[in-house]
Amino acid sequence: AQSVTQLGSHVSVSEGALVLLRCNYSSSVPPYLFWYVQYPNQGLQLLLKYTTGATLVKGINGFEAEFKKSETSFHLTKPSAHMSDAAEYFCAVSDRGSTGGFKTIFGAGTRLFVKA
Amino acid sequence: EAQVTQNPRYLITVTGKKLTVTCSQNMNHEYMSWYRQDPGLGLRQIYYSMNVEVTDKGDVPEGYKVSRKEKRNFPLILESPSPNQTSLYFCASTYNPRSNSPLHFGNGTRLTVT
Repeated sequence: AQSVTQLGSHVSVSEGALVLLRCNYSSSVPPYLFWYVQYPNQGLQLLLKYTTGATLVKGINGFEAEFKKSETSFHLTKPSAHMSDAAEYFCAVSDRGSTGGFKTIFGAGTRLFVKA
Repeated sequence: EAQVTQNPRYLITVTGKKLTVTCSQNMNHEYMSWYRQDPGLGLRQIYYSMNVEVTDKGDVPEGYKVSRKEKRNFPLILESPSPNQTSLYFCASTYNPRSNSPLHFGNGTRLTVT
């Protein structure tokens, strides 16, 4: 079964610093990969999604993710953090489940804190 | 506006009192799903539906029921809620789960069972 691991439940950066949120998935065959962001008291919204053949995927708000098949990773980065980036970020994998239906599996989430 | 609407946003109830959380989407999506979010555990799937009258269990289905009589609606039913079902619940939908079509989420329902 697929699994998603996000390293670090909390990440703290200074405003203007690089943001790096790590995500590893378990399958040797690239599944469908996503990053979602959750702001306080809101549902999740799509930040970016993996496109077959791409190694660098650009998303909203200046975020991007690098797909590395050899490392089964899909890490999320942003060159310069802004206070408004403070939120919880979820890496997700969509794949065929054991009963045949497709399902999306989420990592445990990483809460990003941005210090002024 | 394309959206997934959940109601209510907040719900406090007592053990054993049946409740229903409604979910409706206006995007003509075939696939709908319910998740619960608990600290440190991310989102875990409760039930999902690939189309009308087609539902299946997710990872944590115990204590929950769903139905899909119409394409747009996917209510979550707790027949006899217990305190361990206190959680934040999200409904989500997508056009085609067999692709990189993303999930669209409602704003969540925070349920407290005392």
